[in-house]
Amino acid sequence: DAGVTQSPTHLIKTRGQQVTLRCSPKSGHDTVSWYQQALGQGPQFIFQYYEEEERQRGNFPDRFSGHQFPNYSSELNVNALLLGDSALYLCASSLGGALGEKLFFGSGTQLSVL
Amino acid sequence: QKEVEQDPGPLSVPEGAIVSLNCTYSNSAFQYFMWYRQYSRKGPELLMYTYSSGNKEDGRFTAQVDKSSKYISLFIRDSQPSDSATYLCAMSVRRDDKIIFGKGTRLHILP
Repeated sequence: DAGVTQSPTHLIKTRGQQVTLRCSPKSGHDTVSWYQQALGQGPQFIFQYYEEEERQRGNFPDRFSGHQFPNYSSELNVNALLLGDSALYLCASSLGGALGEKLFFGSGTQLSVL
Repeated sequence: QKEVEQDPGPLSVPEGAIVSLNCTYSNSAFQYFMWYRQYSRKGPELLMYTYSSGNKEDGRFTAQVDKSSKYISLFIRDSQPSDSATYLCAMSVRRDDKIIFGKGTRLHILP
């Protein structure tokens, strides 16, 4: 049973560039949430996608956008990268729009912005 | 004041000891409380999930919630070196609401 898979595992970008991160949910799951975890901090909720729509959004600027595909996989896009965007980006999947205890996390994409 | 406060540690204890990890919070509307474990270079994994006040036990782990004090705890009995990780508390207002994480406490179990 495949868990949540994220790609790439590591990424280095420069300020002002754009980046796309990808996530495939755990088998049987249809909901994807994205989190940003800065060094020494807990994960912060970016947004959730369910039924190909953004359902909830955290306190992140419009530079952060996403998409969910019919096969439930998801992309996180970040435009005009800032140094402060350097973080571990976590994808979590669940079923039926659930959050909380129903989340399964991937190992994340480590993004470094230089 | 942050919504969820958690001492980042690190906390070092000898193998076999009882570990106590804690979080305080400011939002009295929180009703769902979770503890996650995160190993280095891995995503968080759910350890315990509690609704409202009370205790919940699962093997060597016990979660306690005191809503009157806005204080939650995780106890680990008979700690093992494999328990060395970062422990994150998390909470939400509703079951389908975004969860708010603490900063995490780094725990080292010394063999």
